[in-house]
Amino acid sequence: GENVEQHPSTLSVQEGDSAVIKCTYSDSASNYFPWYKQELGKGPQLIIDIRSNVGEKKDQRIAVTLNKTAKHFSLHITETQPEDSAVYFCAASGAFTGGFKTIFGAGTRLFVKA
Amino acid sequence: DTAVSQTPKYLVTQMGNDKSIKCEQNLGHDTMYWYKQDSKKFLKIMFSYNNKELIINETVPNRFSPKSPDKAHLNLHINSLELGDSAVYFCASSFRQGPSIGYTFGSGTRLTVV
Repeated sequence: GENVEQHPSTLSVQEGDSAVIKCTYSDSASNYFPWYKQELGKGPQLIIDIRSNVGEKKDQRIAVTLNKTAKHFSLHITETQPEDSAVYFCAASGAFTGGFKTIFGAGTRLFVKA
Repeated sequence: DTAVSQTPKYLVTQMGNDKSIKCEQNLGHDTMYWYKQDSKKFLKIMFSYNNKELIINETVPNRFSPKSPDKAHLNLHINSLELGDSAVYFCASSFRQGPSIGYTFGSGTRLTVV
């Protein structure tokens, strides 16, 4: 079935350092890979996404990469700031069994120490 | 404000009770979802509706019954509440169903069953 694995579950970095979160998906029908940031007491918010026909996408301090062959995709945050502290979710979306779905990873809790 | 809004934000109730959570979006989206987030932050799809019609039901117990009176509203009614139903429930919406679509989430309803 569809599955998304996300690592690490917890990540602690010093302000200014880079943070990398990695995900692996199982279903080759996945063709859209959004990333969400969830701050305390709030709902997840879409921060960046990448489609299956693109290998890399960048938006200011965040970038995503996709390796379709290996079924890997990653989120890179450079020059981290305390306000980047949150739970980050990767997801894989596609026409799976039962219809179009978005399957989420288990989340990575990022701590940025000032 | 354009948003996905859920009520109530907190709900504490006893086992065996029946409760409802309401969700409304004013984004003009056609598709709405209910997700359950457990204590470990794992996000799992429960239901998906497209223009008032059920399109995904992910083996959720019959005690959970979604209702969509129009495409801007998707309410969740839960009968005979159990301790295991305690979680944060998120409503979300998207412009349409299908690939390459990001979601807008509400801020969540924290349900505690005692």
